[in-house]
Amino acid sequence: DAKTTQPPSMDCAEGRAANLPCNHSTISGNEYVYWYRQIHSQGPQYIIHGLKNNETNEMASLIITEDRKSSTLILPHATLRDTAVYYCIVREYRARGTASKLTFGTGTRLQVTL
Amino acid sequence: GAGVSQTPSNKVTEKGKYVELRCDPISGHTALYWYRQSLGQGPEFLIYFQGTGAADDSGLPNDRFFAVRPEGSVSTLKIQRTERGDSAVYLCASSLIRSGRVGELFFGEGSRLTVL
Repeated sequence: DAKTTQPPSMDCAEGRAANLPCNHSTISGNEYVYWYRQIHSQGPQYIIHGLKNNETNEMASLIITEDRKSSTLILPHATLRDTAVYYCIVREYRARGTASKLTFGTGTRLQVTL
Repeated sequence: GAGVSQTPSNKVTEKGKYVELRCDPISGHTALYWYRQSLGQGPEFLIYFQGTGAADDSGLPNDRFFAVRPEGSVSTLKIQRTERGDSAVYLCASSLIRSGRVGELFFGEGSRLTVL
């Protein structure tokens, strides 16, 4: 799996948008970009993933650059409950019926403040 | 329950002892993963199962670590002759494999192992 680079920490005011960047300059054509987060003392939680198109769900939006070498996770209205470590991961797409592992880095520690 | 269940939630043992950690995945999930996480680090991959077989065990650190999933559901991570360096949170995750879809992983709360 390709490696990712994320800033170690970020702050965001409650109610504002949190934009978390990720570089994955060596991503391959068959690799997806995944985002997970880990709130203190809990297991990681899936947020969103994408291949090349921008994606949005009830939790966040994922913006992937056209060359796929970087992406940004957007939490549109951050709350205190969004304080967590956010992991950007690239994961190989496998043929139907097979799985592949996620390789975590150290992530970005997002602190949402009042 | 609806989520991934791990037992025990906390385990304290002495150096040299044998430990088993159990994972109950989400019903119907064919893939099961074990990770371990040390303080301040991201989860580190250990092994994953596709059904009953270990599809990738490249993350197991040495032969003291072993995992089984005999019926394709519950899995047990076994650690022999524990060392202080084995102290960590051991995380289990499961995922559903559907045709053409890369399934997301659902993680349990983890088992915190402390080796004295």
